[in-house]
Amino acid sequence: GDSVTQTEGQVTVSESKSLIINCTYSTTSIAYPNLFWYVRYPGEGLQLLLKVITAGQKGSSRGFEATYNKETTSFHLQKASVQESDSAVYYCALGESNNNRIFFGDGTQLVVKP
Amino acid sequence: EAAVTQSPRNKVTVTGGNVTLSCRQTNSHNYMYWYRQDTGHGLRLIHYSYGAGNLQIGDVPDGYKATRTTQEDFFLLLELASPSQTSLYFCASSDAGETLYFGSGTRLTVL
Repeated sequence: GDSVTQTEGQVTVSESKSLIINCTYSTTSIAYPNLFWYVRYPGEGLQLLLKVITAGQKGSSRGFEATYNKETTSFHLQKASVQESDSAVYYCALGESNNNRIFFGDGTQLVVKP
Repeated sequence: EAAVTQSPRNKVTVTGGNVTLSCRQTNSHNYMYWYRQDTGHGLRLIHYSYGAGNLQIGDVPDGYKATRTTQEDFFLLLELASPSQTSLYFCASSDAGETLYFGSGTRLTVL
């Protein structure tokens, strides 16, 4: 089956420092899945942060970037300089376009210290 | 702007109780989903639907029923609630492009 593995638990970063949250995926049902990062701010539902559907392409939003790497089956999330307002839970996800199924990683809690 | 509304926001019930969680989307999306989110497990798919009257089984369906009464409305039913169903539940909708639009969640506690 399909699965997503991402950096576990909580990541604490000081404001203005760089961030990387690792994500790797495994799929047996589709060669080139769509890849997503979703974010959940406190008290809110999840919302799409960025999406990439073509291998080798990079997605970006709100200063975050992720590159779809089919060789390493990875989709790491990076930001050069985090802010306190980035504190949230980040979910990596994989989509099967043939049946609209989405598989989520376990989520990574980002805490940005002032 | 996509809108998905869940109710109630919080619910407490007892073991063996009967609970219905409601979800309404106003985007005319075909697909609607129910997920549960637990610490250490991320989001797990319970049921989903691609239209009124349709129901598809997700990855963790045991103990849950669901019904899609209209394009807009998708309900999750727990007919004999158990403490293992204490969780944060999210509803989502999407169209064929696969971007999911989520509600704010329902926190269910089963005592």
